[in-house]
Amino acid sequence: DSGVTQTPKHLITATGQRVTLRCSPRSGDLSVYWYQQSLDQGLQFLIQYYNGEERAKGNILERFSAQQFPDLHSELNLSSLELGDSALYFCASSRQGNTEAFFGQGTRLTVV
Amino acid sequence: GQQVMQIPQYQHVQEGEDFTTYCNSSTTLSNIQWYKQRPGGHPVFLIQLVKSGEVKKQKRLTFQFGEAKKNSSLHITATQTTDVGTYFCAPRGYSGAGSYQLTFGKGTKLSVIP
Repeated sequence: DSGVTQTPKHLITATGQRVTLRCSPRSGDLSVYWYQQSLDQGLQFLIQYYNGEERAKGNILERFSAQQFPDLHSELNLSSLELGDSALYFCASSRQGNTEAFFGQGTRLTVV
Repeated sequence: GQQVMQIPQYQHVQEGEDFTTYCNSSTTLSNIQWYKQRPGGHPVFLIQLVKSGEVKKQKRLTFQFGEAKKNSSLHITATQTTDVGTYFCAPRGYSGAGSYQLTFGKGTKLSVIP
């Protein structure tokens, strides 16, 4: 158990809909990262938050947004969903500084 | 974030053979981390390399950071079926105010034939 909790584990929704993925980082971790992993693909970096502030942005679509709350949990919002958004979405957290990241189990999103 | 290229993308080996994956960057890296993702699992941290020319070992795994800090490698001696998975290199880049980015290479998927 990495200590990072992601909910829900599975999500099936229709095209055009909006969903929210939730991530609770390990206790004390200030950085939260979001990644998208399509079937047999690498980990595509989406966005990073640090202590409530956006710190880095990757190839995140305009239809996607995220935020980190004062209690440090984070949410990734995906809207106007398309079939191609079907993927595994991972959240990871790390402490301040240049340390290892711990990953959650992921949320598998299926858009039908 | 810092971009790295990993080769090969796929590797099939007979159990007991050695395996090496390479991670290359066009720019100097401040440090690099390696992660392993088992099939159906999530990435798990293996190691971090920081110093030029650094070599670290974990049992049958040997990690190297190049002298110019532009490349890194992971070598597994005498592979076992438990080594199956995708190995990612991930450079850490500073993103300000004490926080660091974490971007991943595309990974090398290792299959081990018993």
